[in-house]
Amino acid sequence: QKEVEQDPGPLSVPEGAIVSLNCTYSNSAFQYFMWYRQYSRKGPELLMYTYSSGNKEDGRFTAQVDKSSKYISLFIRDSQPSDSATYLCAMSVGTDSWGKLQFGAGTQVVVTP
Amino acid sequence: EPEVTQTPSHQVTQMGQEVILRCVPISNHLYFYWYRQILGQKVEFLVSFYNNEISEKSEIFDDQFSVERPDGSNFTLKIRSTKLEDSAMYFCASSGTNSNQPQHFGDGTRLSIL
Repeated sequence: QKEVEQDPGPLSVPEGAIVSLNCTYSNSAFQYFMWYRQYSRKGPELLMYTYSSGNKEDGRFTAQVDKSSKYISLFIRDSQPSDSATYLCAMSVGTDSWGKLQFGAGTQVVVTP
Repeated sequence: EPEVTQTPSHQVTQMGQEVILRCVPISNHLYFYWYRQILGQKVEFLVSFYNNEISEKSEIFDDQFSVERPDGSNFTLKIRSTKLEDSAMYFCASSGTNSNQPQHFGDGTRLSIL
């Protein structure tokens, strides 16, 4: 079983719609959860960072972590064409792993005008 | 906003040659990382570096790879004798005062081995 699973998409939505992304994982030791956005030929850009379970909101972005189900989500409200990118989930176990991140495969999102 | 910078953006090298990829992490960060992404595959951890020594490395990071922080600003990844399968995007990342802080990535170096 892969440690972090993420549907590669592509996920196509009309402008203004809510984008819903998710990842599942198998390692119950993961404690830190991140979402990165990656544009073509660019590096991963940090969007959201959460510790343990719960919700976190930042502008149009909401991140949710359900550790009991080993499931994390990212929601993008009022999506814009500029949100078209690949979204990567990443996670780590914390201090014992010296920050080593495990990434999902990334979901390609296309927001159409 | 401070950022991680990587040079060159694209490196083309003959198989068997040595290559050095360079990174300037965010200035007050203490933890440094290299990751790679083979075309169409996941971003994979290579190595973490703290206090002038390797903290953790993956099975990919074999004897052909080395990292160095030669001065107060640069962080380098050296591949001694490149192979075709080393062709990938290589990303440098850094994080702040502890390894649990989020990592910020550079835009990568695309390494092409001929």
